[in-house]
Amino acid sequence: EADIYQTPRYLVIGTGKKITLECSQTMGHDKMYWYQQDPGMELHLIHYSYGVNSTEKGDLSSESTVSRIRTEHFPLTLESARPSHTSQYLCASSETLYSKMNFGSGTRLTVV
Amino acid sequence: AQKITQTQPGMFVQEKEAVTLDCTYDTSDQSYGLFWYKQPSSGEMIFLIYQGSYDEQNATEGRYSLNFQKARKSANLVISASQLGDSAMYFCAMREATSNDYKLSFGAGTTVTVRA
Repeated sequence: EADIYQTPRYLVIGTGKKITLECSQTMGHDKMYWYQQDPGMELHLIHYSYGVNSTEKGDLSSESTVSRIRTEHFPLTLESARPSHTSQYLCASSETLYSKMNFGSGTRLTVV
Repeated sequence: AQKITQTQPGMFVQEKEAVTLDCTYDTSDQSYGLFWYKQPSSGEMIFLIYQGSYDEQNATEGRYSLNFQKARKSANLVISASQLGDSAMYFCAMREATSNDYKLSFGAGTTVTVRA
């Protein structure tokens, strides 16, 4: 069930470029999240949102920013990409305290 | 302090055999949930199984079962009758009831390789 969508799936971009990673969900969930994951490593929460017009920083400091203007949409932006931003970015949503977290397929970002 | 600890970085298992993946957690909450996810090499996170802290029975989902030992703060995943398609990274995660953001804290993961 692909109820949460991320685009692009893969992105190779030059240093200094501005990029936006898209994330959309069709389930009407209020809570959404961005996790960052280096290959073979654990997931680190970088941003989350309680709902429209709510954004919070996660446990891992990130130079990226997020916005939540609509319930279904939670994009992540890097104003000036650097090689240190190379990683996988996973978007997720959750409905209740006891329900699973639904993940998108991820965006694998490479900054050259 | 690390909330979720997975001490096995990598494991090999023979096809059709069972494998147990260890997970211990740290929380002072009475109400919490424990989750296991599978991440194949393609990168997506696939939900496997959930155990609530007040659930008296161990959770099971097909070939997956969770060995929940509350007093030891342990939530091991058992995969029975391993298949080649089970080769992946497996993550244990926890959600605490006092965190109103519903976020999951993840362990470092265990890589499972199933041999034919």
